[in-house]
Amino acid sequence: GAVVSQHPSWVICKSGTSVKIECRSLDFQATTMFWYRQFPKQSLMLMATSNEGSKATYEQGVEKDKFLINHASLTLSTLTVTSAHPEDSSFYICSARDSGRTLSYEQYFGPGTRLTVT
Amino acid sequence: GENVEQHPSTLSVQEGDSAVIKCTYSDSASNYFPWYKQELGKRPQLIIDIRSNVGEKKDQRIAVTLNKTAKHFSLHITETQPEDSAVYFCAALSQAGTALIFGKGTTLSVSS
Repeated sequence: GAVVSQHPSWVICKSGTSVKIECRSLDFQATTMFWYRQFPKQSLMLMATSNEGSKATYEQGVEKDKFLINHASLTLSTLTVTSAHPEDSSFYICSARDSGRTLSYEQYFGPGTRLTVT
Repeated sequence: GENVEQHPSTLSVQEGDSAVIKCTYSDSASNYFPWYKQELGKRPQLIIDIRSNVGEKKDQRIAVTLNKTAKHFSLHITETQPEDSAVYFCAALSQAGTALIFGKGTTLSVSS
């Protein structure tokens, strides 16, 4: 149980184009999902908290107009990198908490999406 | 917001030795502290976690200790094996009580 999937697992796009990454909770509902970015040999940096049915909360320094987040259902959050540039190349990982387990703080991570912008 | 410091950044041990990784956090209201193991290109894998109402937790060769007063927590791996080689991250729940804030990671190398 508690599986989170991400699609695509890797993507290569040209500079200036947009890329959408999907994060799905497969066997539980998640009112809250999280998006992290991880550069090579670095830690996971929280980008934003995605809330079902409302606007995402972005961390300081993360451009909300560049990283569009939509959490339209209890099992799906999407991250769209708009006008991608080579410096956006990174490993993007989502995580989710099980809304049905209110006493648990555990987060379940997706397998990540490797984005390369050429 | 929450800030998590992790040391050391790299750790090399011989197979069978123990390994200890330490983290400190800034927000005294944080109440959940997980540890993750991440292999290259893969998702973080939860190996153990501890809540603020507990001082120590153990699971086979892995243990975590928490000192709330000093705001630090540690991961202890005993009888290390080559397959323990990976990057380990500590984390703490943010002030808002939702998102996890990660330490910078420790690359553990276990040589046989």
